Amino acid sequence: EVQLVESGGGLVQPGGSLRLSCAASGFTFSSYEMNWVRQAPGKGLEWVSFISSSGSTIYYADSVKGRFTISRDNAKNSLYLQMNSLRAEDTAVYYCARELEPRHYYFDYWGQGTLVTVSS
Amino acid sequence: EIVLTQSPATLSLSPGERATLSCRASQSVSSNLAWYQQKPGQAPRLLIYDTSNRATGIPARFSGSGSGTDFTLTISSLEPEDFAVYYCQQRDNWPPSFGGGTKVEIK
Repeated sequence: EVQLVESGGGLVQPGGSLRLSCAASGFTFSSYEMNWVRQAPGKGLEWVSFISSSGSTIYYADSVKGRFTISRDNAKNSLYLQMNSLRAEDTAVYYCARELEPRHYYFDYWGQGTLVTVSS
Repeated sequence: EIVLTQSPATLSLSPGERATLSCRASQSVSSNLAWYQQKPGQAPRLLIYDTSNRATGIPARFSGSGSGTDFTLTISSLEPEDFAVYYCQQRDNWPPSFGGGTKVEIK
């Protein structure tokens, strides 16, 4: 069974940092491209970042470029999102999501999400 | 960036009725459109991709159609578990983007 389990969310002050993790199991993690997608409270979905299976190709939404860093450790079956210079508008549930097929940019499995709250 | 507009915002129907949800793109996305279902407190679930392909395990009562800028998700006969929010998503143009959602609620 495919499982994605996020962790690392919490309350942080504006300008602060957090590192999210996503532990993957039930599939060959190193073969799949992965993404982070977020959802502000009561709002819709926003794609945040993409990383290829090897980690060699990375993309970011303009809203987080220069502040967030996506990475992965295939030996640990884990995906990460380092979030720096956090703003109130980054408050959201952050989901890690697996791609259906390489470079398909459809997301067939999602974690349960981790809530990031940016507030003073 | 492509903007996806979903309508209606809320759809009030009874179990057994047919649901028709619309997604309109600000420019053509060809057939590169997906639909997701999200229930309260849960992650989204992929229903349909490439306009009309059902994802693994999705019941046949869910179907998708359309092309270019206008797309439709149809639920042929609503089951109690289908009351949820539905999002469309395009992958044709970078970055991938989602619509604002349609809530299907029990009438």
